[in-house]
Amino acid sequence: DIVMTQSPDSLAVSLGDRATISCKSSQSVSDSSNNKDYLAWYQQKPGQPPKLLIYWASTRESGVPDRFGGSGSGTDFTLTISSLQAEDVAVYYCQQYDSIPYTFGQGTKLEIK
Amino acid sequence: QALLVESGGGVVQPGKSLRLSCAVSGISFSNFAMYWVRQAPGKGLEWVALISYDGMKTKFADSVKGRFFISRDNFENTVSLQMNSLTVADTAVYYCATSTAVAWDSWGQGTLVIVSS
Repeated sequence: DIVMTQSPDSLAVSLGDRATISCKSSQSVSDSSNNKDYLAWYQQKPGQPPKLLIYWASTRESGVPDRFGGSGSGTDFTLTISSLQAEDVAVYYCQQYDSIPYTFGQGTKLEIK
Repeated sequence: QALLVESGGGVVQPGKSLRLSCAVSGISFSNFAMYWVRQAPGKGLEWVALISYDGMKTKFADSVKGRFFISRDNFENTVSLQMNSLTVADTAVYYCATSTAVAWDSWGQGTLVIVSS
């Protein structure tokens, strides 16, 4: 199984500042045949289902504000929120959808400092 | 825009069974694989099961293998999760999800299953 490890577990950032969340996979989630990384980022607010933010490691889902960005490849990935807004308070999860069992990181709780 | 609505959750005793359903609208249901994901109270997300677009392929997490079964009805646009031999560890919100275009872009609101004596 591919183990996804996020850091930190929680993060407090001031409004307008940058937030950075790391996600590492225990093996590569890249597919050399199509040069894609099967890595997604989700945002989950209390009482709501997860919402897809980023797929293919760096492609923003339609409607997601451009302050959200994804980067990385292979086994190391990063979610960056360039200028934190109050509505970004949530738990963020990375997920590999390369191989079964599909696995998620443990989550990173993002709060306002 | 896909709409997924789960139902069937509730309180059940350990060792008993429960069947969850997910009704899907807004997409050509028979074209898409479907997934069940669960989230224990205060915990993270755990993939539980998948079923291929035509129902021919199913896969399960080790934690539920042999106890849970997934099926779909491409005429009624529903996917079901039959959960047997439930334990306290199965207590969670169960979400159905699908990938209409990329990753898992559509999720239901979830249904809560509580396994308790």
